[in-house]
Order: sequence, then structure tokens, then C-alpha cells
Amino acid sequence: GAGVSQSPSNKVTEKGKDVELRCDPISGHTALYWYRQSLGQGLEFLIYFQGNSAPDKSGLPSDRFSAERTGGSVSTLTIQRTQQEDSAVYLCASSLVGFSYEQYFGPGTRLTVT
Amino acid sequence: KQEVTQIPAALSVPEGENLVLNCSFTDSAIYNLQWFRQDPGKGLTSLLLIQSSQREQTSGRLNASLDKSSGRSTLYIAASQPGDSATYLCAVRPISNFGNEKLTFGTGTRLTIIP
Repeated sequence: GAGVSQSPSNKVTEKGKDVELRCDPISGHTALYWYRQSLGQGLEFLIYFQGNSAPDKSGLPSDRFSAERTGGSVSTLTIQRTQQEDSAVYLCASSLVGFSYEQYFGPGTRLTVT
Repeated sequence: KQEVTQIPAALSVPEGENLVLNCSFTDSAIYNLQWFRQDPGKGLTSLLLIQSSQREQTSGRLNASLDKSSGRSTLYIAASQPGDSATYLCAVRPISNFGNEKLTFGTGTRLTIIP
């Protein structure tokens, strides 16, 4: 079956512009996660959606970052007024709800802020 | 705060050798541990998931073990091949994250298999 997909695969933007990153989870997966992987850094959690519950935004680095999930499926991560330190690979993952389930990752969006 | 460490950061071995990658975590209160591989410029591919009640999991040439009490996991790769070259990441799902199933990742081991 289809895996997690993300678009675009690469995004180059100028400092100060807004960007939107999209994630399509695996069908039937009600849990969705965004992570960020920066050069020289590990993978860090950004935000978590579970069904219709309020998302856990505890990992968002600043109020320039926001995310939404429409209809319990597709999610969009928005970064406003991008800064050079936002340059990273943004990874989306989905899973069934429950601690015993694997998370499946998409290919990521490589964001470069110039 | 849960911390996950992977040593070494990089490893090179000749093709055909068996090898072990290490992962350690500071808080043994975890639900499970997951091993991933990441190819350059790509996302993460799940390799094995070990529940906290399990001691090991096997998939083909891969075997992952978990010693929760000592905060350690190993990934054993048998008869290594050049296609095994990638970065290997381990991640734990801490019990303290109840209500949020996020993973806490190690920094990875970059593995190179020399033909």
C-alpha cells in the first residue's frame, strides 16, 4: 500500500517568506507527527496529532511555526517569516494509535532558507 | 529527561563481516524501542520494533536486542553487504510521554560497508 508522502521534496525560499509543507499519512493512521532534522542535530519532535484531540505542540520552536490537520488526514506545517536557522529536513510520520505501533516516515521535505 | 546515545558515530567494516551497533538510553521507563535506517537524502525506514516486554526481534539478517533494565539495545547485522551502508538510528518511546506517542531519537551511527 501507499506509504507516507510529503511535498514538496525540496523547497528553497528567501529569508522572511512563508512556507507550507504537506504530509499525506498512511490511510487509516490516526496519529501523525512532525519532526525536524537539522545538520549536525538529531531528530527533534515538533508536533503530534491524534484523531480529533487537541494537538501536542510542545516541540514547536517558536510561534512562527504552526500546523493543522484537516479531516483527520492531510497535515500542513506552516513556517512564517522563515529564518536561516529553519533550514532542515522536515519529516512527517504516521501510525495507528497506541504505544505498541510502529511509526512510518515519509521521505521528508528539505527546506533551505537563503 | 530521556537521552539516547549511539556510539560510535561512524563505523566502517569490510563486506561480509558481522557487526553490532549500540544504543543506550538513560530512562528505562519505555514502551518500546525502534531501529531505523536512513539513506542519504531520504526519510527513515523502520527496521525493527521491540516492545518493552520483549528481549529481541529478528528480521532477515538483522537482530535487535533490548535490555531495558540496563538501558541498552543492540542491532546485529549478519554478513554485511554494501547495500547496508546507511545511517542507523534508534528511538525510544518513553512512558513519560503518555498522551503523546512521540519518539526520542539517538544521533545515529553512520555505517559504511567496504566492498
